[in-house]
Amino acid sequence: AQSVTQPDIHITVSEGASLELRCNYSYGATPYLFWYVQSPGQGLQLLLKYFSGDTLVQGIKGFEAEFKRSQSSFNLRKPSVHWSDAAEYFCAVGGKRGNTPLVFGKGTRLSVIA
Amino acid sequence: DVKVTQSSRYLVKRTGEKVFLECVQDMDHENMFWYRQDPGLGLRLIYFSYDVKMKEKGDIPEGYSVSREKKERFSLILESASTNQTSMYLCASSHRRASTDTQYFGPGTRLTVL
Repeated sequence: AQSVTQPDIHITVSEGASLELRCNYSYGATPYLFWYVQSPGQGLQLLLKYFSGDTLVQGIKGFEAEFKRSQSSFNLRKPSVHWSDAAEYFCAVGGKRGNTPLVFGKGTRLSVIA
Repeated sequence: DVKVTQSSRYLVKRTGEKVFLECVQDMDHENMFWYRQDPGLGLRLIYFSYDVKMKEKGDIPEGYSVSREKKERFSLILESASTNQTSMYLCASSHRRASTDTQYFGPGTRLTVL
């Protein structure tokens, strides 16, 4: 069965510092991978997704993620964090096996300090 | 612009009441999903639907039912609300049967059962 692990429950970074959020997945075939962001009181918004091709994918708001098959990872990065990036981030995995919903990780809450 | 709307942002109900949570999408998506979100547990899939009048159980269907009479509308029903169903409920939709396409989320309904 597919699964997603986000090892960090909560991360605090200083504004302007770099950020990396970790995501490890378990999936028997080529995975489809997603990062979503949830601002306080809001629904989830897609940041980026990986289906195939270049393993480094660019997303909205200056985020990027790198797919590493050998490590079963899809870590999210941003070179310089802004206070507005404070939110909860969810990694998700799915696959083209027909009618299989996404499986989400438990989320990482990001706090940004001045 | 893509839009998923949920009937209420906040809802307070009493134990034993029948509760309806409504979700409407205007993107002509085939797939619709209901999740509940709890601190430390991430998103858990309750039910999903790939077409009108079709439904599939997710990971935690107990105590819930769903209805999809029209393509754009997916309702979650709590037949007899209990306090352990106090949670944030998120609706999502996506295009195509593959279900690995991008899921678009509504703003969520925070349900409190007293």
